[in-house]
Amino acid sequence: DAKTTQPPSMDCAEGRAANLPCNHSTISGNEYVYWYRQIHSQGPQYIIHGLKNNETNEMASLIITEDRKSSTLILPHATLRDTAVYYCIVRVEGTSGTYKYIFGTGTRLKVLA
Amino acid sequence: DAGVIQSPRHEVTEMGQEVTLRCKPISGHDYLFWYRQTMMRGLELLIYFNNNVPIDDSGMPEDRFSAKMPNASFSNLKIQPSEPRDSAVYFCASSRQISSSPLHFGNGTRLTVT
Repeated sequence: DAKTTQPPSMDCAEGRAANLPCNHSTISGNEYVYWYRQIHSQGPQYIIHGLKNNETNEMASLIITEDRKSSTLILPHATLRDTAVYYCIVRVEGTSGTYKYIFGTGTRLKVLA
Repeated sequence: DAGVIQSPRHEVTEMGQEVTLRCKPISGHDYLFWYRQTMMRGLELLIYFNNNVPIDDSGMPEDRFSAKMPNASFSNLKIQPSEPRDSAVYFCASSRQISSSPLHFGNGTRLTVT
């Protein structure tokens, strides 16, 4: 299964951009990259996903390198409510043409006032 | 869209008792996943279903754990007998089969086995 590597923790000043890196060097050509975040013990919340191209939505931007071996999640203007654990995951192919999502250890982002 | 619904939110039970956790996926979703989260091991995939059929249960820790999906709108995870080391937050998630549809998680069941 394709694995991801993320720094265990990061700090970011409120109002500044938060750039969260992820390494997924063993990713296969048809495997998507997804980002989720988890606040306290709530269920992980979907943020964004992509395959090859950069993506942007109302929450964040996702930058994927040309070789697809790494990506960066960008929160353009971090607020205190963005303090959470952020997970970068790769959707991998399971059996019988199905898919599964394997979570790593994530990055604990702390937004500072 | 009510989202993924899990029950109960909290469960406290004594060692040796049977525990049943329940999940209602989002209507129209073809995949259902059960995860367990602990401080030591993070989020672990236990089992997942596609069109109500169990596909991969390699993450189920022991024979004490079992999961079923009798229809498209319900799944349960049972632990019998429960042990203190089963204490964790159990999450259910669902997604659609098409394209790159993301996972949607429920709010979890916090299980404490004393």
